[in-house]
Amino acid sequence: GESVGLHLPTLSVQEGDNSIINCAYSNSASDYFIWYKQESGKGPQFIIDIRSNMDKRQGQRVTVLLNKTVKHLSLQIAATQPGDSAVYFCAENTAAGGTSYGKLTFGQGTILTVHP
Amino acid sequence: DVKVTQSSRYLVKRTGEKVFLECVQDMDHENMFWYRQDPGLGLRLIYFSYDVKMKEKGDIPEGYSVSREKKERFSLILESASTNQTSMYLCASSSYVAYGYTFGSGTRLTVV
Repeated sequence: GESVGLHLPTLSVQEGDNSIINCAYSNSASDYFIWYKQESGKGPQFIIDIRSNMDKRQGQRVTVLLNKTVKHLSLQIAATQPGDSAVYFCAENTAAGGTSYGKLTFGQGTILTVHP
Repeated sequence: DVKVTQSSRYLVKRTGEKVFLECVQDMDHENMFWYRQDPGLGLRLIYFSYDVKMKEKGDIPEGYSVSREKKERFSLILESASTNQTSMYLCASSSYVAYGYTFGSGTRLTVV
């Protein structure tokens, strides 16, 4: 079946550096993508999303880039802080026209560790 | 603050017990989901529901059942708990018009 995968399972950075977390997806019909952050012992939290008609979307300290040509998604975190240490998941949705519900497919996750 | 609430953060049950995991959302979302999360396996979909009294099997429904009698509540049932069902269970909800999920905090279930 279609799947979402991550290039790097772990990423370690120094506080203040910029972090880039990557995700490859295989379903060219996917039209919506989300990044989630999961801290230890907690449920995943929404960070940022992007629709397939966009290449880039910015939030507060985070930017998501979508390259549909190579089916690649990335999350950039600016000035990474120790509080950013968590597992980051990408997820994709393939919404056929008229589908009344969306079911996300999740990647395995990348562990981001920020060193003070 | 909108949210998804799971009734228990930690549960310890004995093998063979019937276990109920409850999830309530206050966002009037149509869709609700149950996932389990295990190290190295990521999030795996157990069951989902897109309307009251409707349910669909996910990727790993064996050993589980669900109930959705009211729009805001989605229950996961382990008919006869086994040790291989020890896991973190996550409930999520979403609306028809926005596909992003809102997750609960999770229930860590240990079956002994």
